[in-house]
Amino acid sequence: NAGVTQTPKFQVLKTGQSMTLQCAQDMNHEYMSWYRQDPGMGLRLIHYSVGAGITDQGEVPNGYNVSRSTTEDFPLRLLSAAPSQTSVYFCASSYSTPSVLSTDTQYFGPGTRLTVL
Amino acid sequence: AQKITQTQPGMFVQEKEAVTLDCTYDTSDQSYGLFWYKQPSSGEMIFLIYQGSYDEQNATEGRYSLNFQKARKSANLVISASQLGDSAMYFCAMTPTSGTYKYIFGTGTRLKVLA
Repeated sequence: NAGVTQTPKFQVLKTGQSMTLQCAQDMNHEYMSWYRQDPGMGLRLIHYSVGAGITDQGEVPNGYNVSRSTTEDFPLRLLSAAPSQTSVYFCASSYSTPSVLSTDTQYFGPGTRLTVL
Repeated sequence: AQKITQTQPGMFVQEKEAVTLDCTYDTSDQSYGLFWYKQPSSGEMIFLIYQGSYDEQNATEGRYSLNFQKARKSANLVISASQLGDSAMYFCAMTPTSGTYKYIFGTGTRLKVLA
């Protein structure tokens, strides 16, 4: 059981380049999210998905695209990288949302450190 | 709109003493969940403790307890008997429990445990 995996661990891009950050989980979780972490800002939600084929925007979605074709994978695409997208990116997943019956929490991947020059 | 506020950018505590990390929140949701995560220098996010807004009892997990005061909208983390390994960033987070999946996080508190 690998949990949540993210690739690559480090990436350097030039302004205007595109790339995809990969996220996969093997826990059969329906819910997945992407966050960015910047110094002094905590984690901010970029996009999330509540199941295959269903995605929605979070707090800071501009400049990022996502899709969810399978339960396991939730890639994050940067179409035209900008220096403002320099950050650490975390993917997370959970079986469900917390409720009266469940204290389901998110499991986080190890993160991808992205630098845009 | 939801908001999480952590007013302590940094804290020091002596080893074996207890420490309280503050978290206040603002939400219009009637039902929500509150979380604390630990982020050591290695960077991973580690879940510590959860409190549902509908829970009347404060959550506890080993040395961690959550001091939940719903009327004050506060969810402070208490770490008892601090250890050197507790030195890390600590984040408070919240999400509605009404079916959406929008977690919000505070800006974090960096805790340093002194020997």
